[in-house]
Amino acid sequence: SQTIHQWPATLVQPVGSPLSLECTVEGTSNPNLYWYRQAAGRGLQLLFYSVGIGQISSEVPQNLSASRPQDRQFILSSKKLLLSDSGFYLCAWSVLGTGANVLTFGAGSRLTVL
Amino acid sequence: TQLLEQSPQFLSIQEGENLTVYCNSSSVFSSLQWYRQEPGEGPVLLVTVVTGGEVKKLKRLTFQFGDARKDSSLHITAAQPGDTGLYLCAGEGLTGGGNKLTFGTGTQLKVEL
Repeated sequence: SQTIHQWPATLVQPVGSPLSLECTVEGTSNPNLYWYRQAAGRGLQLLFYSVGIGQISSEVPQNLSASRPQDRQFILSSKKLLLSDSGFYLCAWSVLGTGANVLTFGAGSRLTVL
Repeated sequence: TQLLEQSPQFLSIQEGENLTVYCNSSSVFSSLQWYRQEPGEGPVLLVTVVTGGEVKKLKRLTFQFGDARKDSSLHITAAQPGDTGLYLCAGEGLTGGGNKLTFGTGTQLKVEL
C-alpha cells in the first residue's frame, strides 16, 4: 500500500532563517507531487507541483522554492523566512490514470515564524 | 483563475439535525471531489463525482454534482459529533488545468451533543 510521510510535523523558526520541509512517498512510482499551504480553517492554496524528477511548476510568486531530487521525494525550502510564511503546509501525491486526479495528503507541517 | 466558493463558511448544529454545504463556481470542472479534514491532519477524500447531475451516497452523506458541472452540494442527514471537521470541495479543470485541483474556501462544521 502507498504511504506518504511528511516532516517535521511542527517547526518554530525565527525570521530570516532557512527552511526545509520534506515529503516522501512509498509504494508508488512516478507520482505527481504537490505542496499546498493552508490558512487556519480555510481552503488550500497550491504552491508547487511536480510531474517528475527535477520538474517543478510554481503557482504563486513567493519566498519559497521546491525541489524533487528523487522520484518520490519532494522538498519545500526557503533561504530566509518571512513572518507571512507561517502556516500549515501539506504535501500530497496522485497518480494520473483514466479517472479523476485524486490526491492523498500527508499529515502536514505546522510552521510558525517568529 | 478557477474559484470555488463554499457556503456556509461555519456551521454549528445539534446532533440529529440535517445540513447542506454548497460549493459553487463559474467554471466547469471535469470532476469534483469532497474531502474532510480534522485538526492537525491532512484532508481525506470522501467522494469523487464526474458526471453532471450525478448523485452519490456514502452512508448519511449525499453528494450531488450540478448538471452543468459548475457546482456541487453535500447533504448530511442526522449529523453526529463524528461528522465534525472542515469540509473541502475541489474541482479538477477541464482544460489547461493540467494535474491541478482547485480547492474551495472550506466549511467548518461542528456537531454538538
